Amino acid sequence: KNEVEQSPQNLTAQEGEFITINCSYSVGISALHWLQQHPGGGIVSLFMLSSGKKKHGRLIATINIQEKHSSLHITASHPRDSAVYICAVRSYGGATNKLIFGTGTLLAVQP
Amino acid sequence: NAGVMQNPRHLVRRRGQEARLRCSPVKGHSHVYWYRQLPEEGLKFMVYLQKENIIDESGMPKERFSAEFPKEGPSILRIQQVVRGDSAAYFCASSEGTGGYEQYFGPGTRLTVT
Repeated sequence: KNEVEQSPQNLTAQEGEFITINCSYSVGISALHWLQQHPGGGIVSLFMLSSGKKKHGRLIATINIQEKHSSLHITASHPRDSAVYICAVRSYGGATNKLIFGTGTLLAVQP
Repeated sequence: NAGVMQNPRHLVRRRGQEARLRCSPVKGHSHVYWYRQLPEEGLKFMVYLQKENIIDESGMPKERFSAEFPKEGPSILRIQQVVRGDSAAYFCASSEGTGGYEQYFGPGTRLTVT
């Protein structure tokens, strides 16, 4: 079983819809990241969370440490939001800052 | 305000050749991480370096792969005697410090082994 699980794996939405992508993890963490990757493209960091909620434009990220769960929400989705969204956690303790990644959620927003 | 830079962006090597991937971190960042993304797979940690030191190489294959981050110049990921299975996107990230510092990713190097 992967230490970081995302759902759904694939998501198709109509422009304007509210979108939720979920991430569950099984290890103790010091932080959780949401990343965006366009096909064939680089990786952009959207959020880094250790508690609560963060908002940036139409994107909202929440985390529940007790339940080991995070969600990424996109309000008023747009075709340019089409990308792979990746959840990654930094495990707690030790000398390393390495990230453990989920397998990603492929989002397609249709006009 | 330059971010993480990686070069080359695309690299083609024949089986048995060497591949050298370079990563220049954000100015002032002394922590560098290398990650690999195999086709149709997720990202996987390879190695974590601070200036002149390897801190964690638990994700590096034991043979043919090495990494360095010298006092001056970029971090280098070196793959000797490449095989087709090494074809992947290799991403570098950097951070200012440990703990709560965010990692900033480079655009990646796409290695194709023919």
